[in-house]
Amino acid sequence: GAVVSQHPSRVICKSGTSVKIECRSLDFQATTMFWYRQFPKQSLMLMATSNEGSKATYEQGVEKDKFLINHASLTLSTLTVTSAHPEDSSFYICSAAGTSGGRDTQYFGPGTRLTVL
Amino acid sequence: GQQLNQSPQSMFIQEGEDVSMNCTSSSIFNTWLWYKQDPGEGPVLLIALYKAGELTSNGRLTAQFGITRKDSFLNISASIPSDVGIYFCAGQRASGTYKYIFGTGTRLKVLA
Repeated sequence: GAVVSQHPSRVICKSGTSVKIECRSLDFQATTMFWYRQFPKQSLMLMATSNEGSKATYEQGVEKDKFLINHASLTLSTLTVTSAHPEDSSFYICSAAGTSGGRDTQYFGPGTRLTVL
Repeated sequence: GQQLNQSPQSMFIQEGEDVSMNCTSSSIFNTWLWYKQDPGEGPVLLIALYKAGELTSNGRLTAQFGITRKDSFLNISASIPSDVGIYFCAGQRASGTYKYIFGTGTRLKVLA
């Protein structure tokens, strides 16, 4: 399967600061990248859909001004959590989706653990 | 957000036993994907299904795309301790949209 990397893998920040998370699709040109949030012992919740060169589409209830997404190329998307607060602490996972061999699929990054103090 | 019904929620089994889990929906899907997630890591794709009735294996894992296109099953044969983790199904309604709906997860624990 494709390789998707995320950086950083773990970040601890103070309340009020902003944190940027990078998602790179290393060997797969992703038509679309997704950002998910996962709370302990729960499933993945889609936050936003990101297409290269266009504005991200946010799911209902996700604040677009708080979770800024930039998709600069087919292999890089970034999520910036602005003015982070303790309730933003979570596991953030990106995925790269596209078509390979005529078949749609989706590969996940290893996730970023954000802790806001 | 919307999620698929996945069952069982959790299961404890003895090493060597077979495991079966499923996902169901009221909607039709074009694609089913099955993932495994280890603690603190991202989900890893196990099996992808693209046709109703399709049965696909990956080692000791076998998954099937239900004939009605509203469900999918994952079986693990002869479980081993490293099978422990959370298994998620994901369904895609329309090809090319790349947007998937995830199941609630099945937490598997294997007792040696």
